[in-house]
Amino acid sequence: IAGITQAPTSQILAAGRRMTLRCTQDMRHNAMYWYRQDLGLGLRLIHYSNTAGTTGKGEVPDGYSVSRANTDDFPLTLASAVPSQTSVYFCASSDSLGGADTQYFGPGTRLTVL
Amino acid sequence: GQNIDQPTEMTATEGAIVQINCTYQTSGFNGLFWYQQHAGEAPTFLSYNVLDGLEEKGRFSSFLSRSKGYSYLLLKELQMKDSASYLCAVRDADYKLSFGAGTTVTVRA
Repeated sequence: IAGITQAPTSQILAAGRRMTLRCTQDMRHNAMYWYRQDLGLGLRLIHYSNTAGTTGKGEVPDGYSVSRANTDDFPLTLASAVPSQTSVYFCASSDSLGGADTQYFGPGTRLTVL
Repeated sequence: GQNIDQPTEMTATEGAIVQINCTYQTSGFNGLFWYQQHAGEAPTFLSYNVLDGLEEKGRFSSFLSRSKGYSYLLLKELQMKDSASYLCAVRDADYKLSFGAGTTVTVRA
């Protein structure tokens, strides 16, 4: 099935633990993104990758890291989780950066840090 | 950066029309998107505007005025399944999207 998958669906994590959220797309899209969504704040960009091998910082990158070793995968790592990182995390991808190319979103990962 | 404002909530009756306004201030403009997000689900693309004017897609239309930093999403012939959050997003000169907090639309019978 074409699209974006994320894993896990949900996770409860103790503060201080390391966690990697996985994101895989099979649409051969060049660009990929990680957002967090918090009530009343909307979606905020954490990190992005315009093409395999490159990454960039978004609006709220602190405490998170990403890698883009290939076109399909874009994992997000929390090196030492804190309660303020409790959120719903969405991965997205787009074929190109401009024009009418929209971003397609994965189903999300609900993360709770205690 | 971007500053994007849209109302928090709107309620309308089945069969009616609702207009969701979005105003933005941007350091660089490269298009405006509207997404629909049902509770507990991912956002899905609704519309895209880059030039001034109205784009119509079935029951949904989106309008843009770049000089006013203003857009609206018009939902016609409302159905119960249209109850969702509607997200306004502006793409900047670096091709990154900034989202408003979303407008929750409740459709009542």
